[in-house]
Amino acid sequence: GAGVSQTPSNKVTEKGKYVELRCDPISGHTALYWYRQSLGQGPEFLIYFQGTGAADDSGLPNDRFFAVRPEGSVSTLKIQRTERGDSAVYLCASSLMASFNEQFFGPGTRLTVL
Amino acid sequence: DAKTTQPPSMDCAEGRAANLPCNHSTISGNEYVYWYRQIHSQGPQYIIHGLKNNETNEMASLIITEDRKSSTLILPHATLRDTAVYYCIVRTNTDKLIFGTGTRLQVFP
Repeated sequence: GAGVSQTPSNKVTEKGKYVELRCDPISGHTALYWYRQSLGQGPEFLIYFQGTGAADDSGLPNDRFFAVRPEGSVSTLKIQRTERGDSAVYLCASSLMASFNEQFFGPGTRLTVL
Repeated sequence: DAKTTQPPSMDCAEGRAANLPCNHSTISGNEYVYWYRQIHSQGPQYIIHGLKNNETNEMASLIITEDRKSSTLILPHATLRDTAVYYCIVRTNTDKLIFGTGTRLQVFP
């Protein structure tokens, strides 16, 4: 079956612009996670949804970052007033349910802020 | 969350067993050990997990010491396609995965 998909695969933007990154989880997966990965580092947790609600947003670095999952399926990560330091690969993962279930990752969106 | 320590890199000859160590000396009794790997330009891929017993699946084996302070991931017959960064993660009852910098495994012909 289809895995986790993320669009776009690459996004180049200018400093100060607004961007949206989309994640389509595996059908039927109730838990959805966003991570960010900088060059040479492991992925860093940002936020996790159980259904429509954000169960843990402790990894969001500041209030320029926001994520939604209005219908409990597709999620959008929104970044306002982008900065060069936001450049990274943004990874999305989903799992059947939360708590110790395997997380399936998408291929990521590479964001470059010029 | 418990932290893990892994060597930054390892080499392995194709066809040989790759043994990747991980130290997690501060692990708690209800925390699981998970292994993921990340092939270049792809998202991480789940490999295996365990609590205290050794585990085996079609990809790998996981050996956890009796005191649970360390573990070893074993790829029994490494292939070139196993070249990747391997992450050892101790997972709490929260749901997020906390990745370190992992071990870069290079399998050579």
